[in-house]
Amino acid sequence: KQEVTQIPAALSVPEGENLVLNCSFTDSAIYNLQWFRQDPGKGLTSLLLIQSSQREQTSGRLNASLDKSSGRSTLYIAASQPGDSATYLCAWLKGGKLIFGQGTELSVKP
Amino acid sequence: DAGVTQSPTHLIKTRGQHVTLRCSPISGHKSVSWYQQVLGQGPQFIFQYYEKEERGRGNFPDRFSARQFPNYSSELNVNALLLGDSALYLCASTKGGWGANGYTFGSGTRLTVV
Repeated sequence: KQEVTQIPAALSVPEGENLVLNCSFTDSAIYNLQWFRQDPGKGLTSLLLIQSSQREQTSGRLNASLDKSSGRSTLYIAASQPGDSATYLCAWLKGGKLIFGQGTELSVKP
Repeated sequence: DAGVTQSPTHLIKTRGQHVTLRCSPISGHKSVSWYQQVLGQGPQFIFQYYEKEERGRGNFPDRFSARQFPNYSSELNVNALLLGDSALYLCASTKGGWGANGYTFGSGTRLTVV
């Protein structure tokens, strides 16, 4: 049973585009949600943390929102750059453990 | 400040052998968790330790074990290695026991079983 679903699985865009990555989860009793970036063969870099009482967080060109009632989170990347190319993972916190989606592999072409 | 550090970075083992992976959390973080990530998948939870006590265990066989030391560092042990254990093993730390402030991950240990 897939508890966290990320759409699309892969995305290729030209530099400068604004884009949206989607994450949906099955359990509405979410505590918090965290977005990560992963470069090939590397560990995870935390991008944004949305705690249960919050609806969104922003960091630079990144904005993440959380709608617990619909079971969705969205990561918005403004003015994409080739350096944004990576896999983006969302994870929600359940009982102290993170439950991850399978990720969205993003490629930004110069 | 040093982040989460893991050692070794890469490891090649033969089927049936045993492996020990190590993790040092961020200073002040008392909880360490271990995740397994196979190629093309999201990380899967293996263990969480908080204040040297096991707080949670994922759906992994008993060949997997872990412990946390008084300095909050941790070891993950895997016995009787199988080809399917080949993966990136990630360690994450957080301040409290429930991850309310978010998790910080290390760079991982790439384990290859041949």
